[in-house]
Amino acid sequence: ETGVTQSPTHLIKTRGQQVTLRCSSQSGHNTVSWYQQALGQGPQFIFQYYREEENGRGNFPPRFSGLQFPNYSSELNVNALELDDSALYLCASSYGVETQYFGPGTRLLVL
Amino acid sequence: AQTVTQSQPEMSVQEAETVTLSCTYDTSESDYYLFWYKQPPSRQMILVIRQEAYKQQNATENRFSVNFQKAAKSFSLKISDSQLGDAAMYFCAYRSYYSNAGNMLTFGGGTRLMVKP
Repeated sequence: ETGVTQSPTHLIKTRGQQVTLRCSSQSGHNTVSWYQQALGQGPQFIFQYYREEENGRGNFPPRFSGLQFPNYSSELNVNALELDDSALYLCASSYGVETQYFGPGTRLLVL
Repeated sequence: AQTVTQSQPEMSVQEAETVTLSCTYDTSESDYYLFWYKQPPSRQMILVIRQEAYKQQNATENRFSVNFQKAAKSFSLKISDSQLGDAAMYFCAYRSYYSNAGNMLTFGGGTRLMVKP
């Protein structure tokens, strides 16, 4: 059974740029959630995708957007990057509302 | 909105000893789930234990057990026979039972556990 994978591992961008982060869900899972974890803090929920539709969103602006593909993998897109977007981005997959399992994360640094 | 509070930013325990990490939460819901996740320096969030609010029995997983006090809205994690590999950040998390809330987890700020040899 393959776990949740994320790419890239690390990323450096400059302010104003756009970034795409990728997540492959665990085998058998159909739901993907994305979280932002600032340094020294707990993760904050960004949004969730279930069967290719967004079905829950946290307190994040529209420049944070996402996609889920038919194979249940997912992308997180962030436009007009700001310095405060520097964080660890975590993807978690689950079967519906069952327990979430996390990937190793993507560390984004915005300069 | 639900909130989760972990009042201990750091804890330290001697190897083979027992340590308890605290978590309190605020909710108006009667049905929900509570979790403890471990995040080692490798960054990957690993599920430690899960508790359903409708279950009175406290969950246990090998050396890990919880003390769930629903009326007090308290959910502490006890680690017995601590091992060096237990050193990590520990996060308490809340999830609503109701599917219209999706699968959103609300996390506390974390407790850093150090294990001394």
